[in-house]
Amino acid sequence: QAVVTQEPSLTVSPGGTVTLTCGSSTGAVTSGHYPYWFQQKPGHAPRTLIYDTNNKHSWTPARFSGSLLGGKAALTLSGAQPEDEAEYYCLLSYIGVRVFGGGTKLTVL
Amino acid sequence: DVQLVESGGGSVQPGGSLRLSCAASGFTFSSNWMHWVRQAPGKGLVWVSRINSDGSSTIYADSVKGRFTMSRDNAKNTLYLQMTSLRAEDTAVYYCTGSGSSAYWGQGTLVTVSS
Repeated sequence: QAVVTQEPSLTVSPGGTVTLTCGSSTGAVTSGHYPYWFQQKPGHAPRTLIYDTNNKHSWTPARFSGSLLGGKAALTLSGAQPEDEAEYYCLLSYIGVRVFGGGTKLTVL
Repeated sequence: DVQLVESGGGSVQPGGSLRLSCAASGFTFSSNWMHWVRQAPGKGLVWVSRINSDGSSTIYADSVKGRFTMSRDNAKNTLYLQMTSLRAEDTAVYYCTGSGSSAYWGQGTLVTVSS
């Protein structure tokens, strides 16, 4: 089974910009992996921020964006807010089977 | 409002069975592929299974293949996960979630497998 890798932790200053990445043990991440990004705060269910690489939901703040960058899926947060402190997970599809990354704990400090 | 409400969790002994349900409302359930995802206490998200919109196709993670069965009743807007031969490592909060623009999440239901 493929392994999906994320940075274990990142820190961003309030108002700053940070990029979280999502890599695959099988090679470059492409749009064919249909990357998703999820945000989870302690004690809460996850919520979907981005689907199919760069599509946002109606509830996704405009400061979040998804892309492919250097062979990985990427989630960029521009203008970080204190409420963005959370765990972020990516999900990739491998011909039907989905695999989550281990998550990135984002601190806004 | 969109709602996904999981139920059916609880405590069970190793080797036992449980059936989880996920009641959907507020969106076109019958048009959407659905997933089950689990999260062990203090751990990350793990994808469990997926079913297509009419229920004719399912796919499972290796860790549950042969033990778990996912199904749906589009007339009742309900998703199911039949879990058998449960192991301690199946202990987790189980979430149902949709796909694409319907990737909503429920609040989860806790399954505890312990003797």
